[in-house]
Amino acid sequence: GAVVSQHPSWVICKSGTSVKIECRSLDFQATTMFWYRQFPKQSLMLMATSNEGSKATYEQGVEKDKFLINHASLTLSTLTVTSAHPEDSSFYICSARGLTREQYFGPGTRLTVT
Amino acid sequence: QKEVEQNSGPLSVPEGAIASLNCTYSDRGSQSFFWYRQYSGKSPELIMSIYSNGDKEDGRFTAQLNKASQYVSLLIRDSQPSDSATYLCAVNKGGGADGLTFGKGTHLIIQP
Repeated sequence: GAVVSQHPSWVICKSGTSVKIECRSLDFQATTMFWYRQFPKQSLMLMATSNEGSKATYEQGVEKDKFLINHASLTLSTLTVTSAHPEDSSFYICSARGLTREQYFGPGTRLTVT
Repeated sequence: QKEVEQNSGPLSVPEGAIASLNCTYSDRGSQSFFWYRQYSGKSPELIMSIYSNGDKEDGRFTAQLNKASQYVSLLIRDSQPSDSATYLCAVNKGGGADGLTFGKGTHLIIQP
């Protein structure tokens, strides 16, 4: 149980374009989903928290107009990186939490902006 | 700023021995503590969760929590080469927030 999927697993895009990443909880309903970012040789940094049907809560320093989060259902959250630039290249990982406190992570999406 | 500190290692342990990983955290409001394992290029995999002081055992893994000392540890018994990975300590942000603050991880190497 507690399987989380992400799509795509990797994406290359040109500077200035937008990229959408999907996160799905496959075998449980996720009351809360989280988006993290991990740069090479660094640990995960929380970007935002989203609850189904509510606006996402962004961490300090994360631009809400650049990283658009939609949590349309109890099994799906999306992260859209708008007007991506090379410095946005990173490993984006979502996690989902159901009725317990544990967070289960998706496999991650590696974004490269050229 | 709330922090989670871990020794980055590498920590080298012979196969079959006990590996001991440690973590300290700064936010006294934190209530949930987790250990994740991360292989290179992959996402974190939940190993253990612990919420109250004391020990919690699950198979070869034992998590220990001491809230007074703001200290969390993970013991891996009968270490196997497949346990070689980076182990991340994660703590929920206090004040009712569910998001996790991660340490930088300890790189564990199990020597055959």
